Amino acid sequence: GAGVSQSPSNKVTEKGKDVELRCDPISGHTALYWYRQSLGQGLEFLIYFQGNSAPDKSGLPSDRFSAERTGGSVSTLTIQRTQQEDSAVYLCASSLRVGRSQPQHFGDGTRLSIL
Amino acid sequence: AQTVTQSQPEMSVQEAETVTLSCTYDTSESDYYLFWYKQPPSRQMILVIRQEAYKQQNATENRFSVNFQKAAKSFSLKISDSQLGDAAMYFCAYPKSSGDKLTFGTGTRLAVRP
Repeated sequence: GAGVSQSPSNKVTEKGKDVELRCDPISGHTALYWYRQSLGQGLEFLIYFQGNSAPDKSGLPSDRFSAERTGGSVSTLTIQRTQQEDSAVYLCASSLRVGRSQPQHFGDGTRLSIL
Repeated sequence: AQTVTQSQPEMSVQEAETVTLSCTYDTSESDYYLFWYKQPPSRQMILVIRQEAYKQQNATENRFSVNFQKAAKSFSLKISDSQLGDAAMYFCAYPKSSGDKLTFGTGTRLAVRP
């Protein structure tokens, strides 16, 4: 596609439920990043993928969070047993390849609200 | 430790005027990149400008330019001829060498007065 696509745009769920957030990167982009944006913590890195592998998962806040990427394209971020502190905007970005000069292109994000 | 610092939570500028947003960062590296991103209410982070640290010349993109002072570790964004559409949150970002994940500042909310 022309840009990074994320779905759903908004998600409201009850505490304790599992949620899946989807990211479809720009075609041909091998690097994919997940960030979280919340009022208290600002913008935080969660995980990134180079192809289908995730060399750096250091930003995942707990073992309730996991992510996968298949076919070097679409990625899914899964949050199990959601807690209220998981409420945030989850942003996905992609770049042509991993490299510090490479600009990251962001999607519109998924706003997650935990009741 | 905070790597990227934006000391101005909010700024305001009159339409057609010039405004400068501040950013400082901390690194021991000599070769790196810095970015400014804009986030309007639509939530999408939009790349505004990129600076390569080893280049002496300040980056410029139309009405947007940077004042990059490497020794001072300062990377400010100047917006000339401000337009109503420039109203947004602006984030300064630094890609760490490990995986090039971006470390963001806390952002500056820019309001443009008509």
